[in-house]
Amino acid sequence: GQQVMQIPQYQHVQEGEDFTTYCNSSTTLSNIQWYKQRPGGHPVFLIQLVKSGEVKKQKRLTFQFGEAKKNSSLHITATQTTDVGTYFCADSGGYQKVTFGTGTKLQVIP
Amino acid sequence: NAGVTQTPKFQVLKTGQSMTLQCAQDMNHEYMSWYRQDPGMGLRLIHYSVGAGITDQGEVPNGYNVSRSTTEDFPLRLLSAAPSQTSVYFCASSKTSVNTGELFFGEGSRLTVL
Repeated sequence: GQQVMQIPQYQHVQEGEDFTTYCNSSTTLSNIQWYKQRPGGHPVFLIQLVKSGEVKKQKRLTFQFGEAKKNSSLHITATQTTDVGTYFCADSGGYQKVTFGTGTKLQVIP
Repeated sequence: NAGVTQTPKFQVLKTGQSMTLQCAQDMNHEYMSWYRQDPGMGLRLIHYSVGAGITDQGEVPNGYNVSRSTTEDFPLRLLSAAPSQTSVYFCASSKTSVNTGELFFGEGSRLTVL
């Protein structure tokens, strides 16, 4: 079956440093969604990418969809303590099933 | 706005007991689903529904039953709980079924099976 892997599994950064998490799939992704889950909370939708090579920005967050639609990335510029949490990518649009990646847990050191 | 409501938030069961996790949404969403979250494994899909009367299996359906008698409710039943079902369970809904859009999650139900 489809596997959606994320690297790294954990990342500790100093506040103000940049952070990137990568999402890789064993099969072609339909659409890619990104979610953020704060500690003790529930996943919250951030964005959806649909087109090959698509790049979208939300303030300090930049999302990219690979040209072959088999990978995606989330880059955070100048991290803040409010960025702490686990970031998940998810393949949406495949036969009504949304398949989540394994997640990257971000810790920001003040 | 209530959104997606899950009950209970916490539950402790003994092996072999049965229980139902409740999920209700007030957004008139067609699509509803159940995930379990375990450390290092992300969110894994248990069951999903694209509308009232229609359910289907996800990635890890064994040991769980669902039904969708109304648009609003999507309960998850554990018939005979096992320690391997200790997890955090999330219910999620989406407005449409085709090319599912944004998932809205409930706050989660933490289940411990002794």
